[in-house]
Amino acid sequence: NAGVTQTPKFQVLKTGQSMTLQCAQDMNHEYMSWYRQDPGMGLRLIHYSVGAGITDQGEVPNGYNVSRSTTEDFPLRLLSAAPSQTSVYFCASSRTSGLSTQYFGPGTRLTVL
Amino acid sequence: AQSVSQHNHHVILSEAASLELGCNYSYGGTVNLFWYVQYPGQHLQLLLKYFSGDPLVKGIKGFEAEFIKSKFSFNLRKPSVQWSDTAEYFCAVDINQGGKLIFGQGTELSVKP
Repeated sequence: NAGVTQTPKFQVLKTGQSMTLQCAQDMNHEYMSWYRQDPGMGLRLIHYSVGAGITDQGEVPNGYNVSRSTTEDFPLRLLSAAPSQTSVYFCASSRTSGLSTQYFGPGTRLTVL
Repeated sequence: AQSVSQHNHHVILSEAASLELGCNYSYGGTVNLFWYVQYPGQHLQLLLKYFSGDPLVKGIKGFEAEFIKSKFSFNLRKPSVQWSDTAEYFCAVDINQGGKLIFGQGTELSVKP
């Protein structure tokens, strides 16, 4: 199993550009989520999904969209990038939403100029 | 709003010293508790977790943590640290077992050889 994979590893955007961060897992996990990591703030939940076709907002959803058309994939879309979205983004998955361990991907480091 | 607090932002120890990292959360209901570690340049890995049962849980690499419900705490301990333990450590709480992790700010541990 590859586990949780994320692409790209690094990305530089200009303000106003859009892009999609990819996340995939091959463990048949129902639950997937996106976090952003900023210095001194730990990780904060952006969006999550409890299964294909079901998504919901986390703590910091503004400026981001998600969809879950398959169990395996959970892309994160930045609609119009802003410097405040400069961060490291982690995708995670777990078997279910509760009483499960979340496994994290390697992260995408995004810089918005 | 629920929150997780890690008391130490940066801890510096010599090899063989004992380690205790504090973690407190603000929620009176059912919680699942986690400690994750992030080695330099890598993604988060699970150290240990508590769902129920024995409040003293053992994890990988000699780490352990104790859940004290009356103190809303889940402190991480290791009797003797090694240089390879240099990393950032995150406490995380899953409130109501819904899968939405709330992370502490992180504690950076530097171990001097």
